[in-house]
Amino acid sequence: GQQVMQIPQYQHVQEGEDFTTYCNSSTTLSNIQWYKQRPGGHPVFLIQLVKSGEVKKQKRLTFQFGEAKKNSSLHITATQTTDVGTYFCAVRGKTSYDKVIFGPGTSLSVIP
Amino acid sequence: AAGVIQSPRHLIKEKRETATLKCYPIPRHDTVYWYQQGPGQDPQFLISFYEKMQSDKGSIPDRFSAQQFSDYHSELNMSSLELGDSALYFCASLLRAKGETQYFGPGTRLLVL
Repeated sequence: GQQVMQIPQYQHVQEGEDFTTYCNSSTTLSNIQWYKQRPGGHPVFLIQLVKSGEVKKQKRLTFQFGEAKKNSSLHITATQTTDVGTYFCAVRGKTSYDKVIFGPGTSLSVIP
Repeated sequence: AAGVIQSPRHLIKEKRETATLKCYPIPRHDTVYWYQQGPGQDPQFLISFYEKMQSDKGSIPDRFSAQQFSDYHSELNMSSLELGDSALYFCASLLRAKGETQYFGPGTRLLVL
């Protein structure tokens, strides 16, 4: 079964607005990964978080891992049309080569 | 840089037919994963291989089988196809010693009519 839930399921924003997707688990996670999948494309790894309270930034993207390691968020500042796609949070098993279990994803549309 | 190669990219089959999907991992990657993504859904793990041996198994139907060959490429064999098998099938690869990032291929879109 799914380990993580994501909200919202869909988000439509005007270009230039900010966007946030949230990932929640009922259990403590050893790690959280984020992937982006463009329409018609394949999942592309964005980042992995492993430490409680960890915050990482990639240009306009900010990733956070909650203090209790039960939730995570991805925030995009000033969205662009190139940000369109589905953002999945995912949990990898305890080993670095374990399978990845994806959350249901948040589909982002950006209106130019 | 070389990426994961999957073939064919698109496949149309009739119910009860068989299909074989191929995956060529990034050179030197020793671990291969197969995922199935239904329309509007998240990718679901099917099976993985490390050094030609099955390393983990997920929600793969008994009608499906897979293997990894000596050159590390992998094939997913699907028999007695059902309408519900219509999906995107992704292969991902990873170098176990380096770990952490699975690199996904472009996927094979299977349509069962």
